[in-house]
Amino acid sequence: SQQGEEDPQALSIQEGENATMNCSYKTSINNLQWYRQNSGRGLVHLILIRSNEREKHSGRLRVTLDTSKKSSSLLITASRAADTASYFCATGTSGSRLTFGEGTQLTVNP
Amino acid sequence: SAVISQKPSRDICQRGTSLTIQCQVDSQVTMMFWYRQQPGQSLTLIATANQGSEATYESGFVIDKFPISRPNLTFSTLTVSNMSPEDSSIYLCSVVPSELAGGNTQYFGPGTRLTVL
Repeated sequence: SQQGEEDPQALSIQEGENATMNCSYKTSINNLQWYRQNSGRGLVHLILIRSNEREKHSGRLRVTLDTSKKSSSLLITASRAADTASYFCATGTSGSRLTFGEGTQLTVNP
Repeated sequence: SAVISQKPSRDICQRGTSLTIQCQVDSQVTMMFWYRQQPGQSLTLIATANQGSEATYESGFVIDKFPISRPNLTFSTLTVSNMSPEDSSIYLCSVVPSELAGGNTQYFGPGTRLTVL
């Protein structure tokens, strides 16, 4: 079953603006990851944040994790048209299995 | 990171038939998974493909419908059997590379888009 819920389901912004997506989950986790999917293709791993971390940066990406609220956010700064994609959070527990959230469809308008 | 290919990339099939999807990795991996993504939905794990033994299926998925093989550390197949229109989905394989063994980070193939008429 899907444990992650993401909001918003869809987000439309202008190029240069920041995009923020949120993810909530229900059970204890070892880590939380964000993936991007372009147009029904394979997923690309963006960033992983461990349960003992609160914030992580990678280029224009900033991820936060609040384990007390069981939530995470992904911020994409200075967005580009090429950032248009679906973004999924995924929680990792024991072993290598992942549970994916429902996803946010981001559209960046030129 | 591992390079993963899937065949076919897409197919249109008649109901009642079966389709076998191949997943090939360019390096040995510890874990291989198969996911289904129904139209407009998120990913649902079908099963973990175990090398040399039967796959481990998630709740709601059974071997008779989704037989899986994994003869070695770089290759796996998923068969969608006795298809119905409800099986129309994107099917994705993913792997955990050996150097990341024990972790959760997965690398995904490009997916197989299946349409059942």
